[in-house]
Amino acid sequence: AQKITQTQPGMFVQEKEAVTLDCTYDTSDQSYGLFWYKQPSSGEMIFLIYQGSYDEQNATEGRYSLNFQKARKSANLVISASQLGDSAMYFCAMRERMNTGFQKLVFGTGTRLLVSP
Amino acid sequence: SAVISQKPSRDICQRGTSLTIQCQVDSQVTMMFWYRQQPGQSLTLIATANQGSEATYESGFVIDKFPISRPNLTFSTLTVSNMSPEDSSIYLCSVEGTTGATQYFGPGTRLTVL
Repeated sequence: AQKITQTQPGMFVQEKEAVTLDCTYDTSDQSYGLFWYKQPSSGEMIFLIYQGSYDEQNATEGRYSLNFQKARKSANLVISASQLGDSAMYFCAMRERMNTGFQKLVFGTGTRLLVSP
Repeated sequence: SAVISQKPSRDICQRGTSLTIQCQVDSQVTMMFWYRQQPGQSLTLIATANQGSEATYESGFVIDKFPISRPNLTFSTLTVSNMSPEDSSIYLCSVEGTTGATQYFGPGTRLTVL
């Protein structure tokens, strides 16, 4: 079963507008963490924001905020005041515990965001 | 935040050869992770490397194909052995942040196998 679902293969937004990138997840764990990463064409993975399952407040980091709805198992990324430099792939990921006791990140398929002038 | 470097940043290799990718972290970390990103795909964990023990491989990845070394708390290598064009991918090294609320990635190694 897919653990992380990103249903939007591509999104378009005009500069200075806000955009929401969707992410839903599936887990039976009570304790988990959700991440968003940005991957520009250079290939590097840039950490944007983190939400812990027990965090009562939605995470925010500058222009990035995470709309965490635990009951719906969704963790949507909101980018406010989009900039041309925001054009990139965006990946949602969940930390899950493996049988070995270690934890790993499981990634969604990503959403390509294009910001137009 | 952890600063991670990888060498080489990119390479073009011939089928049947092997390539060793190096990952260096600027601080001591317990676990290091190796991910693969095939063209147009998401990231998939290859293995987890703990200093002083054998790496733990995910389903579909084997030690003979992807041997990993972890000689100390700041360094690891991943070798892609007997390469085929299907191994063309970005290979990324990753570490957890000290609080567990972050996970950092190296800049990646872009591998093309001809």
